[in-house]
Amino acid sequence: DGGITQSPKYLFRKEGQNVTLSCEQNLNHDAMYWYRQDPGQGLRLIYYSQIVNDFQKGDIAEGYSVSREKKESFPLTVTSAQKNPTAFYLCASSPRQTTNEKLFFGSGTQLSVL
Amino acid sequence: KNQVEQSPQSLIILEGKNCTLQCNYTVSPFSNLRWYKQDTGRGPVSLTIMTFSENTKSNGRYTATLDADTKQSSLHITASQLSDSASYICVVRGASNDYKLSFGAGTTVTVRA
Repeated sequence: DGGITQSPKYLFRKEGQNVTLSCEQNLNHDAMYWYRQDPGQGLRLIYYSQIVNDFQKGDIAEGYSVSREKKESFPLTVTSAQKNPTAFYLCASSPRQTTNEKLFFGSGTQLSVL
Repeated sequence: KNQVEQSPQSLIILEGKNCTLQCNYTVSPFSNLRWYKQDTGRGPVSLTIMTFSENTKSNGRYTATLDADTKQSSLHITASQLSDSASYICVVRGASNDYKLSFGAGTTVTVRA
């Protein structure tokens, strides 16, 4: 998976609970991203970060939070405010957020609600 | 409305046969178009990338074409193998300052022996 590790592979959330998805990369990439994948839909951007200690909201950031304290780590927290969290979550990275840089994806985390 | 539409939604082919997947987009201005392959329960992996000036790009048995005038792309799989069973996602990058990516919903290909 291009040096990106996501954990856990499967995660279950109880109502009212916050859960955190881990994403670590050893590619020395500057940019990191979180996407949500739902059946029959294209990937949707939740948050992205171009440098350490900086991140930007994507198209569906409500109910999610992130941090970028280290270059190699970009954890995603799904808060209790996200009312429909069941989805497949993909973390990705790229050397820079420029025109032709391809994304390297992790293996994903399937989040389900108990 | 999604700016990237893929068809068909799914298809089943016999091993050894060819197939073609379609991608229509409305993203403008356009920077590049990339096809990804996503195995079930895994992350997508890049197959090809084409910029505005490129008409075709091959990667082994995968050949992508691009018609920037009609905003259409296709991915052709030749002599399919069981390992080609996956979802194929078309991704278009805009040429505006934020380099926004627009993802298609994917075409699920099932190759049967």
